[in-house]
Amino acid sequence: KQEVTQIPAALSVPEGENLVLNCSFTDSAIYNLQWFRQDPGKGLTSLLLIQSSQREQTSGRLNASLDKSSGRSTLYIAASQPGDSATYLCAAFSYNTDKLIFGTGTRLQVFP
Amino acid sequence: DTGVSQDPRHKITKRGQNVTFRCDPISEHNRLYWYRQTLGQGPEFLTYFQNEAQLEKSRLLSDRFSAERPKGSFSTLEIQRTEQGDSAMYLCASSLGRGGADNEQFFGPGTRLTVL
Repeated sequence: KQEVTQIPAALSVPEGENLVLNCSFTDSAIYNLQWFRQDPGKGLTSLLLIQSSQREQTSGRLNASLDKSSGRSTLYIAASQPGDSATYLCAAFSYNTDKLIFGTGTRLQVFP
Repeated sequence: DTGVSQDPRHKITKRGQNVTFRCDPISEHNRLYWYRQTLGQGPEFLTYFQNEAQLEKSRLLSDRFSAERPKGSFSTLEIQRTEQGDSAMYLCASSLGRGGADNEQFFGPGTRLTVL
């Protein structure tokens, strides 16, 4: 059974810092891994999708990596801004299921 | 707006009432998913459709819950005899579902249900 864990649960940093959010999963037979952003009381915005054959994906200041063998993914945010404040969720899509399994998220606050 | 839409955005109801939510997926997306999210948790899978066929239901989906996607386009999620434990955000997502990057799921704004 796939389980997804995110560390840390919360993070508070000053503006301008580079930061890393961690995601680990127990079943390495994943089809892809997706990172989302969620603002309070809102739906999820897809940030990046990494397919199982890929090692990383980049979009603007965001870079996500995937290491299937160790069951880990990281989301790197460069030069953080107050507008990046939100909850970041990772989710794994496994070969033996047709659904996303989510972690509990990292709540990020970037202060000016 | 060509994204996933959900209606209503908020619903307050009394315990024991029935409620129905609607989801309109991105046009031509074959797969439609329903998830439920409670405060401080990640979304949990409820059910999904491939076109009009409901292919999987979670054990979270008790017999008070029913979902349909009659023409393979929009979907409805009905909860009968609501309980306070049903209070949550109900999220809908869609994808092309043809493998690879086409499995990327796009989410709607959610329907927040409060059962008094």
